Amino acid sequence: SQLAEENPWALSVHEGESVTVNCSYKTSITALQWYRQKSGEGPAQLILIRSNEREKRNGRLRATLDTSSQSSSLSITATRCEDTAVYFCATDSGQGGRALIFGTGTTVSVSP
Amino acid sequence: NAGVIQTPRHKVTGKGQEATLWCEPISGHSAVFWYRQTIVQGLEFLTYFRNQAPIDDSGMPKERFSAQMPNQSHSTLKIQSTQPQDSAVYLCASSLAGQNTEVFFGKGTRLTVV
Repeated sequence: SQLAEENPWALSVHEGESVTVNCSYKTSITALQWYRQKSGEGPAQLILIRSNEREKRNGRLRATLDTSSQSSSLSITATRCEDTAVYFCATDSGQGGRALIFGTGTTVSVSP
Repeated sequence: NAGVIQTPRHKVTGKGQEATLWCEPISGHSAVFWYRQTIVQGLEFLTYFRNQAPIDDSGMPKERFSAQMPNQSHSTLKIQSTQPQDSAVYLCASSLAGQNTEVFFGKGTRLTVV
């Protein structure tokens, strides 16, 4: 089973609107990372939020982390067409391993 | 910095043939990862090297798949006797040492087994 899972499976918004992707995870973590993958490319990191942080911002992006409920969210404000991508949350395997384990992803489509 | 380089970008093999995928990590990165991505399974971790040594291969199929890192500048993923279910995008990634560092991905190799 997945260590992390995003929801919803897909979202569609118009340019300028805001969108939020949610993530639930199953292990204790030291940090959670959000990645974005555009068509034909590999995933690229957007935000890393550590377990002692509740919120992290990067431009139009805002990530939150609630370790008590083992959940995180990624919000994008003032969306643009180029924000169209699959968004993943990722954590380490929680067993001393370092490899990132990714969720199933949320497809975000931004239309003009 | 050209990023993580993967070659070839596309590969078509016949069922039963061998496929070798190449990865050149970012210079100075000591950790190298391989992932496999399909529509059905999503992004699956396969294996991980640190300073060229294999650290975790818990995601590798037990048969037919092997990964090597003969030097710090490249890693290979070899699939013997390829099967149609091996068709996927194989992604290589690298990062600096340490926990919770950013992982940089290549563009992937799309393997199609016909």
